[in-house]
Amino acid sequence: EAGVAQSPRYKIIEKRQSVAFWCNPISGHATLYWYQQILGQGPKLLIQFQNNGVVDDSQLPKDRFSAERLKGVDSTLKIQPAKLEDSAVYLCASSSYETGDYGYTFGSGTRLTVV
Amino acid sequence: AQSVTQLGSHVSVSEGALVLLRCNYSSSVPPYLFWYVQYPNQGLQLLLKYTTGATLVKGINGFEAEFKKSETSFHLTKPSAHMSDAAEYFCAVSDGQGGSEKLVFGKGTKLTVNP
Repeated sequence: EAGVAQSPRYKIIEKRQSVAFWCNPISGHATLYWYQQILGQGPKLLIQFQNNGVVDDSQLPKDRFSAERLKGVDSTLKIQPAKLEDSAVYLCASSSYETGDYGYTFGSGTRLTVV
Repeated sequence: AQSVTQLGSHVSVSEGALVLLRCNYSSSVPPYLFWYVQYPNQGLQLLLKYTTGATLVKGINGFEAEFKKSETSFHLTKPSAHMSDAAEYFCAVSDGQGGSEKLVFGKGTKLTVNP
């Protein structure tokens, strides 16, 4: 089975610019997550979707971050405007809770550097 | 709220020696527990998980972990380290109660294997 696809792999932008990341989850996985992993720390959940509805966005900085999941499949995470502290790896994951497997699959991530 | 504490941000062992990575969790409900490994510039790969049933869980690459409810621990072990085990390891917890299956991660432990 194909894994979770993310693009781009790397992105360098200047502060105050905008950036968008894309994620395609495993086919059939209804739940999709975006995590932020700052260097030296564990991943932190930004937003969780169930199909195309938001389940949890309590840690999403909504003044600059936005995310959507069109038709319950692909998802896009946007930052506008970016700050230096947004430099991190952004990981997308999907899960198959519906099958009782409790398995999460992570993409390779997008490494964002804000200069 | 759930939380995870990984004792030791860096662990160094000799090739062939025992690997022990410590994880303690806090959860108000029976937890689901996970160990992930992350190689440089890659996403997270599941090593093993505990949901219910047998408390000693075996995973990939010879790793295993034991869920000890009384100690709120889920330590990861491997009898004999291999050079290829050098990576960063993350312990994670979810409440698995439905509707809130997000993973909460520890800060990670970087494992170095010396020849």
